[in-house]
Amino acid sequence: QVQLQESGPGLVKPSQTLSFTCTVSGGSISSGGYFWSWIRQHPGKGLEWIGYIHYSGGADYNPSLKSRVTISVDTSKNQFSLKLRSVTAADTAVYYCARGNYVFDYWGQGTLVSVSS
Amino acid sequence: EIVLTQSPGTLSLSPGERATLSCRASQSVSSSYLAWYQQKPGQAPRLLIYGASSRATGIPDRFSGSGSGTDFTLTISRLEPEDFAVYYCQQFGSSQLTFGGGTKVEIK
Repeated sequence: QVQLQESGPGLVKPSQTLSFTCTVSGGSISSGGYFWSWIRQHPGKGLEWIGYIHYSGGADYNPSLKSRVTISVDTSKNQFSLKLRSVTAADTAVYYCARGNYVFDYWGQGTLVSVSS
Repeated sequence: EIVLTQSPGTLSLSPGERATLSCRASQSVSSSYLAWYQQKPGQAPRLLIYGASSRATGIPDRFSGSGSGTDFTLTISRLEPEDFAVYYCQQFGSSQLTFGGGTKVEIK
């Protein structure tokens, strides 16, 4: 059974960089041709796709966030990561990692990040 | 960007009743790339339906999806107590992925 676990800070100051790592267990991040994604959910709101990456390194991003986002993968650690630069209060959300690029069948439990000074 | 509009915003029903949820796209969506998710408070979304009509692993057959083009439907044939939740549709096309705003199915 594939499991995903996000790790990262719960609080980030405005203008700083938000960094998250997702650790995949129960399977190799580089097998099966899967893509690995980040999705966020603002408090009490709907879901927003951030971007995805393939284990080979190919990535694609939501155009609305593309200028501030980098997703990377570390196959040796079975992890993929998210960096979101120049954060503001509008980036306060629950951040999820998930398996897939156009349908998401496994999700992490989600981590709330607050952007505040 | 393809905008997905879900209706109604809230559906008030009793256990045992049938639930019909709508997802309308601002332009045509490939059925292969239309999915539905269920989300309960404090939990991550759970994949229910992919490819517009295929049930994900372990999803009961009371959940069914249908539709094509710009109009898609999720039907729950007989609501069980554990089905009261928020449901989201999601599409992928032209390297852009969007979710609908959600429909909350609440106990009447």
